[in-house]
Amino acid sequence: GENVEQHPSTLSVQEGDSAVIKCTYSDSASNYFPWYKQELGKRPQLIIDIRSNVGEKKDQRIAVTLNKTAKHFSLHITETQPEDSAVYFCALFTGGFKTIFGAGTRLFVKA
Amino acid sequence: DGGITQSPKYLFRKEGQNVTLSCEQNLNHDAMYWYRQDPGQGLRLIYYSHIVNDFQKGDIAEGYSVSREKKESFPLTVTSAQKNPTAFYLCASSIADREDTEAFFGQGTRLTVV
Repeated sequence: GENVEQHPSTLSVQEGDSAVIKCTYSDSASNYFPWYKQELGKRPQLIIDIRSNVGEKKDQRIAVTLNKTAKHFSLHITETQPEDSAVYFCALFTGGFKTIFGAGTRLFVKA
Repeated sequence: DGGITQSPKYLFRKEGQNVTLSCEQNLNHDAMYWYRQDPGQGLRLIYYSHIVNDFQKGDIAEGYSVSREKKESFPLTVTSAQKNPTAFYLCASSIADREDTEAFFGQGTRLTVV
């Protein structure tokens, strides 16, 4: 069945450095790849998404890249700040109205 | 104020009891989902529904049941057959007729077996 693997599970960076999280998937029919941020004790919320007709999308300090041939997509956060500390989930929308999530990456930004 | 609401926020269950978690949305979304989140782990799909009166099992449906009698509501029952029910449960909804669609989450229900 559909599967998405997310790495790393934990990431610790110094404030101001960049953070990169990568996800690989198996379902070649997937065309929508969102990223969610979950702060401690709160609900996951969409921070950026990308569709299969583009290779890269940027929104201020956050960017996402997609390589459909290799079946992987990545989240890039530049100039990290302490408030970026959270759990980040990649996801993909599969056929049949299902959204499946990666296992999550816990990002720590040290001041 | 549109959104998706879960209740209760905290729930305690005795061994052998069934409990029902509520999820209501006023976003006019056709698709609704239940996920389970364990400490340090991702979101695992329990059940999902893309239309009223229809729902499908996710990856970990055993010990759970759902109903979808109304578009706005998708309650989850955790039965006594679920051997390890202590977890954080998240409900979500999305527009079902488009592939590129954001999922909106409720605030979650933390279930503890006592």
